Amino acid sequence: AIQVTQSPSSLSASVGDRVTITCRTSQGVTTDLSWYQQKPGKAPKLLIYSASSLHSGVPTRFSGSGSATEFTLTISNLQAEDFATYYCLQDYNYPYTFGQGTKLEI
Amino acid sequence: DVQLLESGGGLVQPGGSLRLSCAASGFTFSGYVMSWVRQAPGRGLEWVSSISGSGASTDYVDSVKGRFTISRDHSKNTVFLQMNSLRVEDTATYYCAKGSLMGSNYGSFDYWGQGSLVTVSS
Repeated sequence: AIQVTQSPSSLSASVGDRVTITCRTSQGVTTDLSWYQQKPGKAPKLLIYSASSLHSGVPTRFSGSGSATEFTLTISNLQAEDFATYYCLQDYNYPYTFGQGTKLEI
Repeated sequence: DVQLLESGGGLVQPGGSLRLSCAASGFTFSGYVMSWVRQAPGRGLEWVSSISGSGASTDYVDSVKGRFTISRDHSKNTVFLQMNSLRVEDTATYYCAKGSLMGSNYGSFDYWGQGSLVTVSS
Protein backbone atom coordinates (compact mmCIF):
# COMPACT_ATOMS: atom_id res chain seq x y z
CA ALA A 1 0.00 0.00 0.00
CA ILE A 2 1.11 3.57 -0.69
CA GLN A 3 2.05 5.39 2.50
CA VAL A 4 1.04 9.03 2.86
CA THR A 5 2.94 11.26 5.28
CA GLN A 6 1.27 14.56 6.12
CA SER A 7 2.91 17.42 7.99
CA PRO A 8 2.62 19.20 10.27
CA SER A 9 0.15 17.36 12.51
CA SER A 10 -0.96 20.66 13.99
CA LEU A 11 -0.51 24.28 13.11
CA SER A 12 -1.29 27.54 14.88
CA ALA A 13 -2.09 30.59 12.81
CA SER A 14 -4.05 33.82 12.83
CA VAL A 15 -6.75 35.31 10.64
CA GLY A 16 -5.11 36.77 7.55
CA ASP A 17 -2.11 34.42 7.62
CA ARG A 18 -0.93 32.16 4.82
CA VAL A 19 -0.32 28.50 5.72
CA THR A 20 1.04 25.47 3.90
CA ILE A 21 0.41 21.78 4.57
CA THR A 22 2.49 19.07 2.90
CA CYS A 23 1.81 15.47 1.91
CA ARG A 24 4.42 13.04 0.69
CA THR A 25 3.62 9.66 -0.81
CA SER A 26 5.86 6.59 -0.66
CA GLN A 27 5.60 6.13 -4.42
CA GLY A 28 4.55 8.31 -7.31
CA VAL A 29 0.84 8.96 -7.69
CA THR A 30 1.09 11.36 -10.66
CA THR A 31 -1.46 14.07 -9.67
CA ASP A 32 -4.00 11.70 -8.12
CA LEU A 33 -4.13 13.42 -4.77
CA SER A 34 -7.01 15.29 -3.17
CA TRP A 35 -7.47 17.49 -0.11
CA TYR A 36 -10.37 17.57 2.36
CA GLN A 37 -11.50 19.84 5.18
CA GLN A 38 -13.29 18.47 8.22
CA LYS A 39 -14.88 20.39 11.06
CA PRO A 40 -15.78 18.73 14.39
CA GLY A 41 -18.82 16.48 14.16
CA LYS A 42 -19.15 17.01 10.41
CA ALA A 43 -18.39 15.01 7.29
CA PRO A 44 -15.26 15.89 5.33
CA LYS A 45 -15.59 18.21 2.34
CA LEU A 46 -13.58 18.08 -0.86
CA LEU A 47 -11.40 21.13 -1.45
CA ILE A 48 -8.90 20.17 -4.15
CA TYR A 49 -8.79 17.25 -6.59
CA SER A 50 -6.15 16.14 -9.07
CA ALA A 51 -3.56 17.91 -6.89
CA SER A 52 -4.42 21.43 -8.02
CA SER A 53 -8.05 21.67 -9.24
CA LEU A 54 -10.45 23.61 -7.03
CA HIS A 55 -13.74 21.84 -6.29
CA SER A 56 -16.90 23.74 -7.12
CA GLY A 57 -17.83 26.34 -4.55
CA VAL A 58 -14.48 26.29 -2.72
CA PRO A 59 -13.00 29.76 -2.12
CA THR A 60 -10.01 30.68 -4.27
CA ARG A 61 -7.83 31.28 -1.19
CA PHE A 62 -7.39 27.49 -1.21
CA SER A 63 -4.82 26.18 -3.68
CA GLY A 64 -2.97 22.94 -4.27
CA SER A 65 0.20 22.03 -6.07
CA GLY A 66 2.59 19.16 -6.64
CA SER A 67 2.96 15.89 -8.50
CA ALA A 68 4.58 12.48 -8.18
CA THR A 69 5.42 12.22 -4.46
CA GLU A 70 5.20 15.73 -2.99
CA PHE A 71 2.11 17.89 -2.65
CA THR A 72 1.09 21.06 -0.85
CA LEU A 73 -2.15 22.69 0.21
CA THR A 74 -1.90 26.45 0.70
CA ILE A 75 -4.51 28.61 2.36
CA SER A 76 -4.02 32.32 1.82
CA ASN A 77 -5.63 35.06 3.88
CA LEU A 78 -6.96 32.66 6.53
CA GLN A 79 -10.55 33.23 7.57
CA ALA A 80 -12.17 32.23 10.86
CA GLU A 81 -14.14 29.48 9.13
CA ASP A 82 -10.91 27.84 7.88
CA PHE A 83 -9.89 26.59 11.29
CA ALA A 84 -10.47 22.86 10.93
CA THR A 85 -8.62 19.60 10.26
CA TYR A 86 -7.25 18.94 6.79
CA TYR A 87 -6.52 15.59 5.17
CA CYS A 88 -4.88 14.54 1.94
CA LEU A 89 -5.85 11.35 0.10
CA GLN A 90 -3.98 9.44 -2.58
CA ASP A 91 -6.65 8.27 -5.02
CA TYR A 92 -4.15 6.78 -7.46
CA ASN A 93 -4.75 3.14 -6.61
CA TYR A 94 -6.35 0.88 -4.05
CA PRO A 95 -6.07 0.67 -1.14
CA TYR A 96 -6.62 4.43 -1.00
CA THR A 97 -4.71 6.01 1.87
CA PHE A 98 -5.21 9.25 3.78
CA GLY A 99 -2.63 11.40 5.45
CA GLN A 100 -2.74 11.57 9.24
CA GLY A 101 -4.41 14.99 9.24
CA THR A 102 -3.39 18.54 10.13
CA LYS A 103 -5.32 20.39 12.80
CA LEU A 104 -5.29 24.11 12.06
CA GLU A 105 -5.87 26.12 15.21
CA ILE A 106 -6.12 29.77 16.03
CA ASP B 1 -28.53 18.38 -5.51
CA VAL B 2 -26.46 15.33 -4.60
CA GLN B 3 -27.60 13.71 -1.37
CA LEU B 4 -26.20 10.68 0.45
CA LEU B 5 -28.12 9.40 3.47
CA GLU B 6 -26.61 6.66 5.60
CA SER B 7 -28.54 4.41 7.96
CA GLY B 8 -28.10 1.17 9.85
CA GLY B 9 -25.53 2.07 12.47
CA GLY B 10 -25.84 1.18 16.12
CA LEU B 11 -24.45 -0.84 19.00
CA VAL B 12 -23.39 -4.43 18.36
CA GLN B 13 -21.45 -6.99 20.36
CA PRO B 14 -18.04 -8.25 19.21
CA GLY B 15 -18.52 -11.00 16.65
CA GLY B 16 -21.87 -9.58 15.58
CA SER B 17 -23.10 -8.22 12.26
CA LEU B 18 -24.52 -4.97 10.96
CA ARG B 19 -25.53 -3.69 7.53
CA LEU B 20 -25.09 -0.05 6.61
CA SER B 21 -27.09 1.53 3.81
CA CYS B 22 -26.47 4.71 1.85
CA ALA B 23 -29.37 6.07 -0.21
CA ALA B 24 -28.18 8.29 -3.05
CA SER B 25 -30.00 10.91 -5.08
CA GLY B 26 -29.29 13.80 -7.41
CA PHE B 27 -26.94 12.04 -9.84
CA THR B 28 -26.73 9.09 -12.24
CA PHE B 29 -26.05 6.46 -9.59
CA SER B 30 -24.78 3.71 -11.88
CA GLY B 31 -22.15 5.99 -13.37
CA TYR B 32 -20.04 6.52 -10.29
CA VAL B 33 -17.89 4.52 -7.92
CA MET B 34 -19.20 4.56 -4.36
CA SER B 35 -17.07 4.15 -1.26
CA TRP B 36 -17.13 3.81 2.51
CA VAL B 37 -14.69 5.74 4.70
CA ARG B 38 -14.55 5.41 8.48
CA GLN B 39 -13.27 7.47 11.36
CA ALA B 40 -12.66 6.02 14.81
CA PRO B 41 -13.41 8.39 17.71
CA GLY B 42 -10.76 11.10 17.87
CA ARG B 43 -8.81 9.57 14.98
CA GLY B 44 -8.19 10.24 11.31
CA LEU B 45 -9.95 9.07 8.18
CA GLU B 46 -9.54 5.53 6.85
CA TRP B 47 -10.74 4.31 3.47
CA VAL B 48 -12.64 1.03 3.91
CA SER B 49 -14.09 -0.12 0.60
CA SER B 50 -15.14 0.93 -2.90
CA ILE B 51 -17.43 -0.51 -5.57
CA SER B 52 -17.41 0.37 -9.26
CA GLY B 53 -20.39 1.94 -10.96
CA SER B 54 -21.45 -1.38 -12.48
CA GLY B 55 -20.86 -3.24 -9.23
CA ALA B 56 -18.50 -5.66 -10.95
CA SER B 57 -15.37 -4.50 -9.15
CA THR B 58 -14.80 -4.12 -5.41
CA ASP B 59 -11.82 -3.27 -3.19
CA TYR B 60 -11.22 -3.42 0.55
CA VAL B 61 -8.67 -2.31 3.11
CA ASP B 62 -6.78 -5.36 4.40
CA SER B 63 -8.21 -5.11 7.92
CA VAL B 64 -11.78 -5.82 6.72
CA LYS B 65 -11.15 -8.30 3.91
CA GLY B 66 -13.19 -11.45 4.42
CA ARG B 67 -15.43 -9.73 6.98
CA PHE B 68 -17.04 -6.79 5.12
CA THR B 69 -18.88 -6.88 1.79
CA ILE B 70 -19.80 -3.85 -0.28
CA SER B 71 -22.68 -4.04 -2.76
CA ARG B 72 -25.07 -1.76 -4.60
CA ASP B 73 -28.70 -1.91 -5.77
CA HIS B 74 -29.33 0.23 -8.84
CA SER B 75 -33.10 -0.12 -8.56
CA LYS B 76 -32.92 1.58 -5.15
CA ASN B 77 -29.91 3.85 -5.80
CA THR B 78 -28.41 2.45 -2.62
CA VAL B 79 -24.99 1.16 -1.62
CA PHE B 80 -24.56 -1.25 1.27
CA LEU B 81 -21.79 -2.34 3.61
CA GLN B 82 -22.39 -5.71 5.21
CA MET B 83 -20.15 -5.99 8.26
CA ASN B 84 -19.65 -9.43 9.84
CA SER B 85 -17.40 -10.67 12.63
CA LEU B 86 -17.24 -7.15 14.02
CA ARG B 87 -14.37 -6.22 16.31
CA VAL B 88 -14.00 -3.50 18.94
CA GLU B 89 -11.54 -1.78 16.61
CA ASP B 90 -14.27 -1.41 13.96
CA THR B 91 -15.95 1.17 16.18
CA ALA B 92 -16.18 4.33 14.09
CA THR B 93 -18.38 6.73 12.21
CA TYR B 94 -18.85 5.31 8.73
CA TYR B 95 -19.23 7.75 5.85
CA CYS B 96 -20.58 6.98 2.41
CA ALA B 97 -18.80 8.91 -0.35
CA LYS B 98 -19.38 9.42 -4.08
CA GLY B 99 -16.58 9.18 -6.62
CA SER B 100 -15.95 12.28 -8.67
CA LEU B 101 -15.28 10.79 -12.10
CA MET B 102 -18.13 9.37 -14.15
CA GLY B 103 -17.24 6.02 -15.66
CA SER B 104 -14.01 5.67 -13.68
CA ASN B 105 -13.19 3.27 -10.85
CA TYR B 106 -10.93 5.90 -9.29
CA GLY B 107 -11.02 9.54 -8.32
CA SER B 108 -11.55 11.78 -5.34
CA PHE B 109 -14.67 11.85 -3.14
CA ASP B 110 -16.75 14.85 -4.10
CA TYR B 111 -19.79 14.29 -1.90
CA TRP B 112 -20.13 12.65 1.52
CA GLY B 113 -23.00 11.48 3.67
CA GLN B 114 -23.49 12.69 7.22
CA GLY B 115 -22.07 9.51 8.74
CA SER B 116 -23.43 6.55 10.69
CA LEU B 117 -21.96 5.57 14.05
CA VAL B 118 -21.10 1.93 14.61
CA THR B 119 -20.16 0.92 18.16
CA VAL B 120 -18.78 -2.55 18.81
CA SER B 121 -18.81 -3.29 22.51
CA SER B 122 -19.86 -5.95 24.97
